[in-house]
Amino acid sequence: EVQLVESGGGLVQPGGSLRLSCAASGFSVSTNYMSWVRQTPGKGLEWVSVIYSGGSTYYADSVKGRFTISRDNSNNTLHLQMNSLRAEDTAVYYCASYCSGGSCYSGVIHYWGQGTLVTVSS
Amino acid sequence: DIQLTQSPSTLSASVGDRVTITCRASQTISSSLAWYQQKPGKAPKLLIYHASSLQSGVPSRFSGSGSGTEFTLTISSLQPDDFATYYCQQYNSYPYTFGQGTKVEIK
Repeated sequence: EVQLVESGGGLVQPGGSLRLSCAASGFSVSTNYMSWVRQTPGKGLEWVSVIYSGGSTYYADSVKGRFTISRDNSNNTLHLQMNSLRAEDTAVYYCASYCSGGSCYSGVIHYWGQGTLVTVSS
Repeated sequence: DIQLTQSPSTLSASVGDRVTITCRASQTISSSLAWYQQKPGKAPKLLIYHASSLQSGVPSRFSGSGSGTEFTLTISSLQPDDFATYYCQQYNSYPYTFGQGTKVEIK
């Protein structure tokens, strides 16, 4: 059974850093296409970043240069390093997978984690 | 960025009603559109992808149609479990974007 479990959220001051983790089970992150998507009451759902099985990464303009997506294949975990955090980064962050049954299609999110809340406030 | 506009933002309906939600893209996205259902406190759930392909396990009362810039999600006979918020999402080009959501409420 595929499962994604996020951790690492919390309260951080503006300008601070936070590292989110997403522990995957039921599949290997190294052969998967995976993303982070965030949600706020005001802006709704916002795609943040993607990492492909080959290692290519892409980012939303709003986080480019501040956030870094990566994976730890030995621990089967996806990460999101968030630096220079701003109030507008406050959101629930979801880990997401684009693959199902061995087939991957970028953009179609088959699996979501339960989300982790990041609050940026002084 | 490609903007997706959903209408209506809120929809009041009764069990058994036929419900249609529209998603319009600011530029053509071919058939690169997915629909998700979200309930309070939960992650979204994939319903439809490639505009009209039903995700495995999703009831057949859900259907999607459209291509280019105009898309629809239809629930043929609304069930109690269907009261939720629905989002469209395009994956034709980066950054992938979502519509603002349509909340389906009990009339």
